[in-house]
Amino acid sequence: QKEVEQDPGPLSVPEGAIVSLNCTYSNSAFQYFMWYRQYSRKGPELLMYTYSSGNKEDGRFTAQVDKSSKYISLFIRDSQPSDSATYLCAILLNQAGTALIFGKGTTLSVSS
Amino acid sequence: GAGVSQSPRYKVAKRGQDVALRCDPISGHVSLFWYQQALGQGPEFLTYFQNEAQLDKSGLPSDRFFAERPEGSVSTLKIQRTQQEDSAVYLCASSSKVRLRDATNEKLFFGSGTQLSVL
Repeated sequence: QKEVEQDPGPLSVPEGAIVSLNCTYSNSAFQYFMWYRQYSRKGPELLMYTYSSGNKEDGRFTAQVDKSSKYISLFIRDSQPSDSATYLCAILLNQAGTALIFGKGTTLSVSS
Repeated sequence: GAGVSQSPRYKVAKRGQDVALRCDPISGHVSLFWYQQALGQGPEFLTYFQNEAQLDKSGLPSDRFFAERPEGSVSTLKIQRTQQEDSAVYLCASSSKVRLRDATNEKLFFGSGTQLSVL
């Protein structure tokens, strides 16, 4: 089993829809969780960063961590065409926090 | 420049050829990472530098892969005797923090990558 599992999609939604992106992970010791957005032919950029369980909101984005289920989610409200990108979940692998493990990424397309 | 710069942007190599990929991190950033991203996959960790010291090279897939950062700024990833399975985007990232979990906002700044195609 891979350390981080993510459904690659693709996911297509109309503008204004609520989008739910999800990942599962295998090691209950993981504590630091991130969501990155990657536009075509660009490097990933950090969207959200959460520590331990709970919700974190930033504008139209909400990151949720459920450590009991080893499940992390990213919700996008009022989705826009500019949200069309690949979304990668990531966790910090080791105690030193020097290596990120990424999911495969989910490709999202928002149509106007 | 304001961001992480990688060159070349695209590289086509014949199988067996050696290649060198360059990364210019953000000025003053202590930490530098190399990642490999195959088509349709997430980035996979290759190696980590803290200044000029290579502290973690556990992700390098074989001894054909070699990375250096001799003066603690620019880094080069070298791949010897390239194989078709080396075809991927190679991403460089830098951070002002020694440990990612100590950072507060933009923890890693990624470059746009070098797309390597081995024929």
